[in-house]
Amino acid sequence: ILNVEQSPQSLHVQEGDSTNFTCSFPSSNFYALHWYRWETAKSPEALFVMTLNGDEKKKGRISATLNTKEGYSYLYIKGSQPEDSATYLCASKDTGNQFYFGTGTSLTVIP
Amino acid sequence: GAGVSQTPSNKVTEKGKYVELRCDPISGHTALYWYRQSLGQGPEFLIYFQGTGAADDSGLPNDRFFAVRPEGSVSTLKIQRTERGDSAVYLCASSLRAGSAYEQYFGPGTRLTVT
Repeated sequence: ILNVEQSPQSLHVQEGDSTNFTCSFPSSNFYALHWYRWETAKSPEALFVMTLNGDEKKKGRISATLNTKEGYSYLYIKGSQPEDSATYLCASKDTGNQFYFGTGTSLTVIP
Repeated sequence: GAGVSQTPSNKVTEKGKYVELRCDPISGHTALYWYRQSLGQGPEFLIYFQGTGAADDSGLPNDRFFAVRPEGSVSTLKIQRTERGDSAVYLCASSLRAGSAYEQYFGPGTRLTVT
């Protein structure tokens, strides 16, 4: 079982602020890290799939970095908007079949 | 195109009853995953199918839980003799292929409440 931790657990920011949160995972036997956004009453939606140390991915105002040697990934949101309000989940995979999810960071963007 | 669908969206059942939860993956996706999310937790892996076969069922909590995918498409998660501790949101996800490089597409989940 992989211990995947996310911090902070919840976050409130003002519209227009930039923010970031962390996903920590075991670095041994690392295979991949996925980020998902889960809006209330909707299905989790994939944001990024990251596999290589030093990977940086970007989608609009959201970006992510990956450090597999030290076992962490950062998710950044630039200029937060109310529609960014959601729970952001990360999931790590080692050489097995399973994805191990963190408990998520709940983001609320206040207009 | 159509996404992953799950039925029912909500299920309330009495302790000791049998329930079936259905997942319709995206057409052409060979890999299918079932997860369970309890309050305040992240999704917890239950079982993974590659095609028709259960490639990894190590996450099923006990022998009351069983899942099938007989034709490599629709999957059913079956829970016998339900207990109150089985109450959770059950999520299904599919991906084009198995493997870490393929993102998972999730359904909206089935909220199971055992009274």
